[in-house]
Amino acid sequence: EPEVTQTPSHQVTQMGQEVILRCVPISNHLYFYWYRQILGQKVEFLVSFYNNEISEKSEIFDDQFSVERPDGSNFTLKIRSTKLEDSAMYFCASRTNRERNYGYTFGSGTRLTVV
Amino acid sequence: AQSVTQPDIHITVSEGASLELRCNYSYGATPYLFWYVQSPGQGLQLLLKYFSGDTLVQGIKGFEAEFKRSQSSFNLRKPSVHWSDAAEYFCAALGDFGNEKLTFGTGTRLTIIP
Repeated sequence: EPEVTQTPSHQVTQMGQEVILRCVPISNHLYFYWYRQILGQKVEFLVSFYNNEISEKSEIFDDQFSVERPDGSNFTLKIRSTKLEDSAMYFCASRTNRERNYGYTFGSGTRLTVV
Repeated sequence: AQSVTQPDIHITVSEGASLELRCNYSYGATPYLFWYVQSPGQGLQLLLKYFSGDTLVQGIKGFEAEFKRSQSSFNLRKPSVHWSDAAEYFCAALGDFGNEKLTFGTGTRLTIIP
């Protein structure tokens, strides 16, 4: 079964450093998403991306965050200057079609620890 | 505001016993509803989804869920749990067309005892 692949599985970074989280969505999918889950809290929407632009973003997704699909296969989330409160599990998701009867496929996540 | 509520933070059941995990939603119209499972260190795996039609939906791993409009609920059930079902379970909803955001509940952690 096709998978969404995320790398790395765990990243530790110092506060103030830039991090890039990488995702390879399923190849025929067109819609891409990032979600995050702070330890012990609910999974929260960050951003959706379609046709090489952001289609929706949450209030969490401020100027410190950016997304990119640089080469037609990877989908990245960049945090420019990490803060302690950015520590969370970050999930990438994709789906093939905007029809909502197609479910999202999630990756296994990247655990980001900011120290 | 749109929201999904899972009232039970942690549930413990014996292996072989039946299971019901509760989920309530608050939306203007009936949203699309999902249940996901997250095993330790793993991603979110879709168990089942409801869009319309038959209010009892079957999913993978022997799970089913029943949509009840009158109660704004979408409870997950399994008649007999296995030790491998121990995981975190998330209910999620997708609202109005054009809104791409899945809204998740806070999750229910399921512990299975022998």
